[in-house]
Amino acid sequence: QSVLTQPPSVSGAPGQRITISCTGSSSNIGAHYDVHWYQQHPGRVPKLLIFGDKYRPSGVPERFSGSKSGTSASLAISGLQAEDEADYYCQSYDSNLRGSVFGGGTKLTVL
Amino acid sequence: QVQLVESGGGVVLPGSSLRLSCAASGFTFGSYAMHWVRQTPGRGLDWVALISYDGDDEYYADSVRGRFIVSRDSPRNTLYLQMNNLRAEDTALYFCARARYCTSDDCYGNFYMADWGKGTPVTVSS
Repeated sequence: QSVLTQPPSVSGAPGQRITISCTGSSSNIGAHYDVHWYQQHPGRVPKLLIFGDKYRPSGVPERFSGSKSGTSASLAISGLQAEDEADYYCQSYDSNLRGSVFGGGTKLTVL
Repeated sequence: QVQLVESGGGVVLPGSSLRLSCAASGFTFGSYAMHWVRQTPGRGLDWVALISYDGDDEYYADSVRGRFIVSRDSPRNTLYLQMNNLRAEDTALYFCARARYCTSDDCYGNFYMADWGKGTPVTVSS
């Protein structure tokens, strides 16, 4: 059971906008630690998508955006494309565990 | 560009030891903290350990603390993970990753995994 909770799966049609939630607690997201997001295609290495709640590394399309409020964070993908079909993970820091923590991952299906 | 290449994985018996290596290139290795992260086949990511840029500080997940040791040899640009008393539940693909943190004023500054290697597989089985 992961410290950060994500929905196991989400889906959307091409062109639509979807969001993936990441729910934590007062010892991680609620303590204002940064939330980061990764994309992992099947058989591939995870790739950094969002860091510091909302910042995109160079090369990541503007269609990807991040936000945070209270003990939760969200990843939004607008203008959904077939190539966005992948697993998405959130990550933060937990002060009780004194280390990084991941969400369980969300599988995005593009219908 | 940044390149991280893990090695040292294999198939071992429960209770055995194994040492993983991660060869780094394309950046100033001695200036960055480094993570180990693992992933069980078909399952999610699991943070294992972090070592500070200078090797003075180490942090571990509860599941490996006391059994795993992270270290680095900066002149050789190499990160290590010594894994002792291995258990079946340690079976996973092990990644090394370069640690960075957000420097914007509105960031807290906790580490993320900026760059990843391709991983080395570890199987613990009798």
